[in-house]
Amino acid sequence: EAQVTQNPRYLITVTGKKLTVTCSQNMNHEYMSWYRQDPGLGLRQIYYSMNVEVTDKGDVPEGYKVSRKEKRNFPLILESPSPNQTSLYFCASSLRPQVVDGNTEAFFGQGTRLTVV
Amino acid sequence: AQTVTQSQPEMSVQEAETVTLSCTYDTSESDYYLFWYKQPPSRQMILVIRQEAYKQQNATENRFSVNFQKAAKSFSLKISDSQLGDAAMYFCAYRSSWGDKIIFGKGTRLHILP
Repeated sequence: EAQVTQNPRYLITVTGKKLTVTCSQNMNHEYMSWYRQDPGLGLRQIYYSMNVEVTDKGDVPEGYKVSRKEKRNFPLILESPSPNQTSLYFCASSLRPQVVDGNTEAFFGQGTRLTVV
Repeated sequence: AQTVTQSQPEMSVQEAETVTLSCTYDTSESDYYLFWYKQPPSRQMILVIRQEAYKQQNATENRFSVNFQKAAKSFSLKISDSQLGDAAMYFCAYRSSWGDKIIFGKGTRLHILP
């Protein structure tokens, strides 16, 4: 089954304790990205990756890191989490429009609810 | 920079009626992609419909259709014969032809009244 898998689904942590949210896709997609969703603000892009070893900042990258060592995995790292990073996080993957025309929609993971206290 | 605006934070519709959710966007590009996503209480993001900007014909998926007005930069979603399962948050999204970013609106919460 084609899917994007995020782990964990729920996480409560304390300020300053490093954490990693994993994301894996089995569709051989070049493009992967991370979003955070907050009430009244919609989904905002944190980081994205157009291919292996190619990553770039989105609109709200401060306090986050990512890596893309393999095509299927795109972990999100919070080196020193703070309460303002409490949010719902989504990983997404897709084909790049330049590669294929039409089916460029993003496929989303099930989300990770992060609470930083 | 591209922006996506959904001007209706919440809407309600009677079951079996038709409702239209509005979305406008701003871009200087001529080639791009537009999407509507549905987010039910389960939080899963589900693609409802997509539209390629170079296609003049409006996309349709069963009870869901769009009114794509390229010159006006408008991309509204029409839901016909509304069902209780349509209750969700709906997000409009824009993607450039380069594909580097997918930009979302802030969402419209749709309530279905029985």
